[in-house]
Amino acid sequence: RKEVEQDPGPFNVPEGATVAFNCTYSNSASQSFFWYRQDCRKEPKLLMSVYSSGNEDGRFTAQLNRASQYISLLIRDSKLSDSATYLCVVIHNTNAGKSTFGDGTTLTVKP
Amino acid sequence: DGGITQSPKYLFRKEGQNVTLSCEQNLNHDAMYWYRQDPGQGLRLIYYSQIVNDFQKGDIAEGYSVSREKKESFPLTVTSAQKNPTAFYLCASTYSNRGPSGNTIYFGEGSWLTVV
Repeated sequence: RKEVEQDPGPFNVPEGATVAFNCTYSNSASQSFFWYRQDCRKEPKLLMSVYSSGNEDGRFTAQLNRASQYISLLIRDSKLSDSATYLCVVIHNTNAGKSTFGDGTTLTVKP
Repeated sequence: DGGITQSPKYLFRKEGQNVTLSCEQNLNHDAMYWYRQDPGQGLRLIYYSQIVNDFQKGDIAEGYSVSREKKESFPLTVTSAQKNPTAFYLCASTYSNRGPSGNTIYFGEGSWLTVV
């Protein structure tokens, strides 16, 4: 089993739709969690950190469930420009500094 | 501006040659990483370093080597022992021990390596 697993996708949604991605992690000592966005043939860029209390940034909401060991990303009112691959990242404390990326979920928003 | 600089952006390697990818950061980050990404795939960790003169193997270290002689620099050598090196290589860095919200990972723009 992979340390970090994401919904396989791809997700194809119409503009304006709400879409949610999940990411599960296996190491309970994991400390930090992030969502990154990666456009085709580009480097990943930070979308948002994920805090225990949940956090929101405009149309994006991230949540963490430590008991069930998963994080989620919700995108409301999807835009064409949201089309990208979304990567979850987990950094765990037992192997200080080692970061593990999920394989990514591809989102395509269509007119 | 602070950031991570990778070079070259595109590199072609002949069979049997070693090549070195450069990664420099001026963010004063402690930790640096190298990832490999194949088309349509996720990122796989090659090597990472928490402090100068120390580094650890990631999940796919075979055929690669690194050094960390300076805090700012973490070059990656792709050796001839790496049988399928054609891929997109990403260098990244972050602070260590800044707590859960302090260790955001920043990436360079990546290097495309092709074996010809």
